[in-house]
Amino acid sequence: DAKTTQPPSMDCAEGRAANLPCNHSTISGNEYVYWYRQIHSQGPQYIIHGLKNNETNEMASLIITEDRKSSTLILPHATLRDTAVYYCIVRLKMDSNYQLIWGAGTKLIIKP
Amino acid sequence: DTEVTQTPKHLVMGMTNKKSLKCEQHMGHRAMYWYKQKAKKPPELMFVYSYEKLSINESVPSRFSPECPNSSLLNLHLHALQPEDSALYLCASSQLAGLAKNIQYFGAGTRLSVL
Repeated sequence: DAKTTQPPSMDCAEGRAANLPCNHSTISGNEYVYWYRQIHSQGPQYIIHGLKNNETNEMASLIITEDRKSSTLILPHATLRDTAVYYCIVRLKMDSNYQLIWGAGTKLIIKP
Repeated sequence: DTEVTQTPKHLVMGMTNKKSLKCEQHMGHRAMYWYKQKAKKPPELMFVYSYEKLSINESVPSRFSPECPNSSLLNLHLHALQPEDSALYLCASSQLAGLAKNIQYFGAGTRLSVL
């Protein structure tokens, strides 16, 4: 199974870019990388996903290395509301279903 | 609207009780999921329903019994639970379980305490 490795915690100053790394060295060619975050006492919230190319949406950017063994989630201008646990996830196909294989998560604390 | 609604938000039950958790979505999604999340851990998949049929059971004990009465509703029936079953139970839905791009939308969860 492809697995992800994330730092357990990170700090970032408010207004600065938050860069969250993730290693997924055993990922297969057709497995997507997803990022979700979970704010305290809430359900996980989808952020972004990608396969090979870099991706950007209104929440974040996802940079995937050419060998696909690692990726970085970028929150361009972090606010206090971005304080959350960020999960790097690999999506595997198992039988006819796709399942999310969750990493342990990075607790991101945005400081004023 | 990307809302998944779970009720109740909190539940305390004894080991001999029978209770049910409910989940509802109105996004037209045909795949629904139950996850269990212990403190400071990522969610763990329990069940997947695809077109109202159970497609994945991750070796969950029989004291947890899922039910999908229609495409918008998902229930989790609880009976004879143990204290170690105390956790946050999350429901999610997605368009289809077998799609290459499969964004799951999560509810806020039910925080369950078993005494």
